[in-house]
Amino acid sequence: NAGVTQTPKFRVLKTGQSMTLLCAQDMNHEYMYWYRQDPGMGLRLIHYSVGEGTTAKGEVPDGYNVSRLKKQNFLLGLESAAPSQTSVYFCASYLQSGSTDTQYFGPGTRLTVL
Amino acid sequence: KQEVTQIPAALSVPEGENLVLNCSFTDSAIYNLQWFRQDPGKGLTSLLLIQSSQREQTSGRLNASLDKSSGRSTLYIAASQPGDSATYLCAVKGGGADGLTFGKGTHLIIQP
Repeated sequence: NAGVTQTPKFRVLKTGQSMTLLCAQDMNHEYMYWYRQDPGMGLRLIHYSVGEGTTAKGEVPDGYNVSRLKKQNFLLGLESAAPSQTSVYFCASYLQSGSTDTQYFGPGTRLTVL
Repeated sequence: KQEVTQIPAALSVPEGENLVLNCSFTDSAIYNLQWFRQDPGKGLTSLLLIQSSQREQTSGRLNASLDKSSGRSTLYIAASQPGDSATYLCAVKGGGADGLTFGKGTHLIIQP
């Protein structure tokens, strides 16, 4: 049981390049989330998914796209990277089950856009 | 829009002291509140989760309280140790599929 994993751990892009961040969870959770963490800003929600084939916008969705083709995977795409997207990206999954429900976070992806 | 504020932003205390970290939120209609620990360059570790119907949760030297009506939570750390040095994040969750709304964190340093 690996929990939530993220690929890659680190990445450096040039402005205008594209990339996809992969999040995978093996807990059979329905809900998955992408957050970004910037110094002095805390974590902010980018997009989320309530199940396979569904996605929704969070607080800061501009410049990102997401897909949830399989229940266990949630992909975050940057079509044309900008320096403002330099951040640490965290994925989380969630199962609402009453007293034990919590969001489980991946280890993060550090992205630098030059 | 839910807003979460954590006070203080930074705190440095000698080893052995008891300390309190504060978290406030603007919308009391929350489903639960969670405290996380984050070490430099690392991910988030969940410390305590309090459901909206609960008043407090305890784990070892940590105790978290929730006053939903006043929009406040506190994290109490007893007998602090240098290993407790980290950033502590407070986050609230609305109902259903809502994501978490985070505070900016309290950067805690425990001096040996």
